[in-house]
Amino acid sequence: DIQMTQSPSSLSASVGDRVTITCRASQSIITYLNWYQQKPEKAPELLIYTASSLQSGLPSRFSGSGSGTEFTLTISSLQPEDFATYYCQQSFNIPYTFGQGTKLEIK
Amino acid sequence: QLQLQESGPGLVKPSETLSLTCTASGDSISTSSFYWGWVRQSPGKGLEYIASIYYSGSTYYSPSLKSRVTISVDTSKNQFSLKLSSVTAADTAVYYCVRVKTYYPMDVWGQGTTVIVSS
Repeated sequence: DIQMTQSPSSLSASVGDRVTITCRASQSIITYLNWYQQKPEKAPELLIYTASSLQSGLPSRFSGSGSGTEFTLTISSLQPEDFATYYCQQSFNIPYTFGQGTKLEIK
Repeated sequence: QLQLQESGPGLVKPSETLSLTCTASGDSISTSSFYWGWVRQSPGKGLEYIASIYYSGSTYYSPSLKSRVTISVDTSKNQFSLKLSSVTAADTAVYYCVRVKTYYPMDVWGQGTTVIVSS
């Protein structure tokens, strides 16, 4: 299985801050990397797919980059509704695997 | 707009079989290119892919669960189902049904259903 490792595991930030979350794969996954946002008691929601494509209807403050084994999710200016847990997931091969999550909290 | 809804017992006894069904509305699961799958989330193991199936019946399973999992599809009811046998407390989780496409993300998720394994 491809192991996905996110850092940091948790992050405190303020409204308006720029934040970056990193995801590393144990082998190259080209750009088959997706990011999800999950709020408490809700299902994950797709944010970014194939490393850098923003899901339709989502604000442009979310962006993704990377290829191979290292990827980043950046939120350019945090809004109150962005405080949640973020997961990366590889769709390069089965079994699809997820990172352990990054919990973004209000400072 | 496609919606997915999980259903099934919320409590299963150890050693028994967990059975869940996902009902799709707003679109047909016979749509080409998409697979239909199950993901679970537990505090101990995070998000975990279980299995996926094409409307024609082609299946993929996570190797770690393959020996206990069966996924099936009923296109006439626009449903797909999961069976997980010989459950233990480690199978306690929120189970989500999802739509997925090869190399692409899980773009539609059900709301999730909590399954507790306990006697």
